[in-house]
Amino acid sequence: ETGVTQSPTHLIKTRGQQVTLRCSSQSGHNTVSWYQQALGQGPQFIFQYYREEENGRGNFPPRFSGLQFPNYSSELNVNALELDDSALYLCASWTSGGGLFFGEGSRLTVL
Amino acid sequence: GENVEQHPSTLSVQEGDSAVIKCTYSDSASNYFPWYKQELGKGPQLIIDIRSNVGEKKDQRIAVTLNKTAKHFSLHITETQPEDSAVYFCAASIYNYGQNFVFGPGTRLSVLP
Repeated sequence: ETGVTQSPTHLIKTRGQQVTLRCSSQSGHNTVSWYQQALGQGPQFIFQYYREEENGRGNFPPRFSGLQFPNYSSELNVNALELDDSALYLCASWTSGGGLFFGEGSRLTVL
Repeated sequence: GENVEQHPSTLSVQEGDSAVIKCTYSDSASNYFPWYKQELGKGPQLIIDIRSNVGEKKDQRIAVTLNKTAKHFSLHITETQPEDSAVYFCAASIYNYGQNFVFGPGTRLSVLP
């Protein structure tokens, strides 16, 4: 049990649409990160939020955006969906014991 | 930026044998190297990690070694069991992104009964 919960588990969207993915982590986990994992590949860092501010971003365009809320929940928003956005999106947070722990992910399919 | 390579891409071993997965990284500033196990349909699970001030770390049947000079680190699993079958990822910390990582492409380990 990592204490990181994601929703929805699966969803299907059409190219050009927008999607919001949600994550909740345990109290005290101030840092949340989002990763994209394409089929057959390792996760790729999208961005990190600390105390509701973005403080690190990987090589992803601005149509990938996020929010973090005071209740330790967060969102990943993707606008103008493209076929290549089809992937498993992973939320992760650091625990007090150390280590980055992932949720089970949201699998997005873009048609 | 950081680049992580991982070998082999697939590995099959007999139950009870050992398995070794090797990774290399490019950024000498990386200082933290976790290993993750991912089962089908699940998120990556942290199984062991090592920091750059340590050369080796062991946890029961799993061990990790780090050679900072050569920028190599390896995962060793002894006495493999069928439940060890999964995809394993190595990762290296990204300088300036503090708590985030570049991942390797993964190794699919199959333990044959």
